[in-house]
Amino acid sequence: AQRVTQPEKLLSVFKGAPVELKCNYSYSGSPELFWYVQYSRQRLQLLLRHISRESIKGFTADLNKGETSFHLKKPFAQEEDSAMYYCALADYGQNFVFGPGTRLSVLP
Amino acid sequence: KAGVTQTPRYLIKTRGQQVTLSCSPISGHRSVSWYQQTPGQGLQFLFEYFSETQRNKGNFPGRFSGRQFSNSRSEMNVSTLELGDSALYLCASSLSGGSDNEQFFGPGTRLTVL
Repeated sequence: AQRVTQPEKLLSVFKGAPVELKCNYSYSGSPELFWYVQYSRQRLQLLLRHISRESIKGFTADLNKGETSFHLKKPFAQEEDSAMYYCALADYGQNFVFGPGTRLSVLP
Repeated sequence: KAGVTQTPRYLIKTRGQQVTLSCSPISGHRSVSWYQQTPGQGLQFLFEYFSETQRNKGNFPGRFSGRQFSNSRSEMNVSTLELGDSALYLCASSLSGGSDNEQFFGPGTRLTVL
């Protein structure tokens, strides 16, 4: 069965420092991977998806099929990046599987 | 454009009762998905409806059911409530579902089962 893991429940970095939120998945086929974000008192929203290969709010994520990873990176963290981040996978059946989430705290 | 709305926002029920939650998607969106979010299990996919038909289903017991109306509004029903059903229930809408379409989430309905 497909599974998404995010090993860090909480990640704290200082403003201006690089940040990497880890995501690993297990799936026998070719998955579609996403990062969702939930800012304080806001709704869950899509941050980026691997098929579009875009950078959103300075974040990028590369799908590494060999390592089955889809880590989210940003070279210089900002305080407004503090939020809950979820990695998600969509399988062929278009069912979405979410990871447990990582809370990013960017310290001033 | 109005976002996804869910009613009620909060609900308290007792074991054995049943509950119906409602989700109104963004105008023009035909796909509605439901998720259960708990501290222990995280976000888990319940089911997806498209054009009044259940298109995908997660691993939840038959006590969890749903439906979609011709205006794309969706309801989710949980029968014979158990304590473990206490959770935040989120719905998300998209134009036509699938991973190509961005999902827009509602604020959720927090269900507490006593």
